[in-house]
This record gives sequence, structure tokens and C-alpha cells, in this order.
Amino acid sequence: DAKTTQPNSMESNEEEPVHLPCNHSTISGTDYIHWYRQLPSQGPEYVIHGLTSNVNNRMASLAIAEDRKSSTLILHRATLRDAAVYYCILRDFNSGYALNFGKGTSLLVTP
Amino acid sequence: DVKVTQSSRYLVKRTGEKVFLECVQDMDHENMFWYRQDPGLGLRLIYFSYDVKMKEKGDIPEGYSVSREKKERFSLILESASTNQTSMYLCASSTFGGRTETQYFGPGTRLLVL
Repeated sequence: DAKTTQPNSMESNEEEPVHLPCNHSTISGTDYIHWYRQLPSQGPEYVIHGLTSNVNNRMASLAIAEDRKSSTLILHRATLRDAAVYYCILRDFNSGYALNFGKGTSLLVTP
Repeated sequence: DVKVTQSSRYLVKRTGEKVFLECVQDMDHENMFWYRQDPGLGLRLIYFSYDVKMKEKGDIPEGYSVSREKKERFSLILESASTNQTSMYLCASSTFGGRTETQYFGPGTRLLVL
């Protein structure tokens, strides 16, 4: 799978928007951008994914740069429950079945 | 919502014991996976199954076996537990659409082997 780069950690205040960046400069045309998160002592949880266009769902929004070399996961109003490690990964039809999370971004949300 | 459940959240076993970890999904997914997660090593795939009675080895199958007799149920078996199998075990499922499909995870089983 193509490599992604994320900051090790970010901090946000509760009820403020959070923008989590991901760089993927070697992305190919067939790579989908997936985001998962893992709350403490829980299994990973799917957040959102996209290919070229920006995507919205009930959890978050995904903004994809026009050249697709970077993307941003947007949490519109962070809550304490959003404190987790967020993983950005690229997947295409040739990817192995295993999800290979990198170190991700550890998000701290303060009241 | 997709639901993946695992039989235990926490388990303590002794070296040499046979250990069964069970996973059930309620979304009629074809694919099911067993991972282990260790600090600094990330997620590692042990086995996956793409259909009933079908299985494929993942990256670290040694010391483990699996069973899938029904579509919704995927079991991981540690034939003779060892201390280096102390870990967080995660089950996941997905539809058969290919490697871009979302994987849905269970809450995990934290296994301690003494």
C-alpha cells in the first residue's frame, strides 16, 4: 500500500472543529483514501473514505486536495468521545487483505 | 449498523491451554478476519476467510488455527497457548467487494497467557 504521513498528535478543545491532515504524495489513481479511528481499549472503527470528491457522513467530512496528494479529515464539533488515534490509509484493488495502519494521529480533546 | 461481537473482552489462560476466541457478525458479510495488535507492531493479520469453510493464512499464522462452519461465525484457536501470544485480538468482517471494502471490527479480546 502507498505510504501516508500523519502528525503524531493533535489537540483540540471540545465543541471546536478539528482538521486532521494526511499526506500521500505517492498516491496512485486507483487508491481510495480510508480513515479509521481507534478509541482507547476498543477495536478500530471505520470513519469515512473517498476517491476524488469530498465526502460527508454523520461522523465526519473528508476533504481531498485537487491533486490528491493530501487529504483532511474534519470533525465539525469535537467531543470528548472523539479522543482516539486516527489512521489514514490508502487501499486499491491490489492491496493485501490486511489493513496496515501506520502510527496515526493521537487526538486529545480537552473540555 | 454493522455489529461484530467477540466472545470475551478479557481472558486469562495458562501456558499450554487450548484457547477458543469466537467472533460473530450480523451483516451477512463474506469476509472475516482475525488480527492481533501489539504496541509498536500495529495490526497484524493472522487468518482470514472469504467463505464458509474457506481460509487463507495471513502474515502470522503460526501457532493459530481457524474455523468457519457458518457464515456469521469465525473462530480463532490457539492450540497450545504461549506467553508470546499475550495480545489484543481483533475480529473484523467485510463484504466481498475487494480490497477497498470497509472492514468492521469487534471490540477486541485482551488475552493474557501466564
